[in-house]
Amino acid sequence: EAQVTQNPRYLITVTGKKLTVTCSQNMNHEYMSWYRQDPGLGLRQIYYSMNVEVTDKGDVPEGYKVSRKEKRNFPLILESPSPNQTSLYFCASSWRGGQPQHFGDGTRLSIL
Amino acid sequence: SQQGEEDPQALSIQEGENATMNCSYKTSINNLQWYRQNSGRGLVHLILIRSNEREKHSGRLRVTLDTSKKSSSLLITASRAADTASYFCATDGSRGGKLIFGQGTELSVKP
Repeated sequence: EAQVTQNPRYLITVTGKKLTVTCSQNMNHEYMSWYRQDPGLGLRQIYYSMNVEVTDKGDVPEGYKVSRKEKRNFPLILESPSPNQTSLYFCASSWRGGQPQHFGDGTRLSIL
Repeated sequence: SQQGEEDPQALSIQEGENATMNCSYKTSINNLQWYRQNSGRGLVHLILIRSNEREKHSGRLRVTLDTSKKSSSLLITASRAADTASYFCATDGSRGGKLIFGQGTELSVKP
């Protein structure tokens, strides 16, 4: 089954404790992206990757890091999380940029 | 900045009625897409319309695109309670690779 898998689905943690949200897709898609969703602000893109070893900033990249060492994986790293990063995060992939995206089920992060 | 802006922000209708949502955008596009999101879940792609197309259908969905007005509309005909969800438009922006989402329209279909 074609899918984008995010882990964990829920996480409560404290300020400053490094965390990684993993994202994996099994569709051999070249393009992957991370979004955060906040009430009243819709989805905002954090980072995206057009292919392996190619990443670029989205609209809200501050406080986040990503890497794309393999085609299937695109982890999101919060080196020093802060409360304003409390949000619902989505990973998505598509065969090419600008094309229909498959979304994961989301990761709800709470930073205390 | 948000490229796509949906209107209305919220819409409540009865089962069987049609629902129309609108999306406006600011820059030139290659395509415009509509997505659906059930409460707190991942978005699901509904339909893509290219910039050289004016109308597209998929089942009970009808999408129109007016590039001169930089706007699109999504029509759901004969709505069902199961159509209750948030609907987002997304445009591919001015740089390849970026998909820019609007803030969405929250649709409630009452049985």
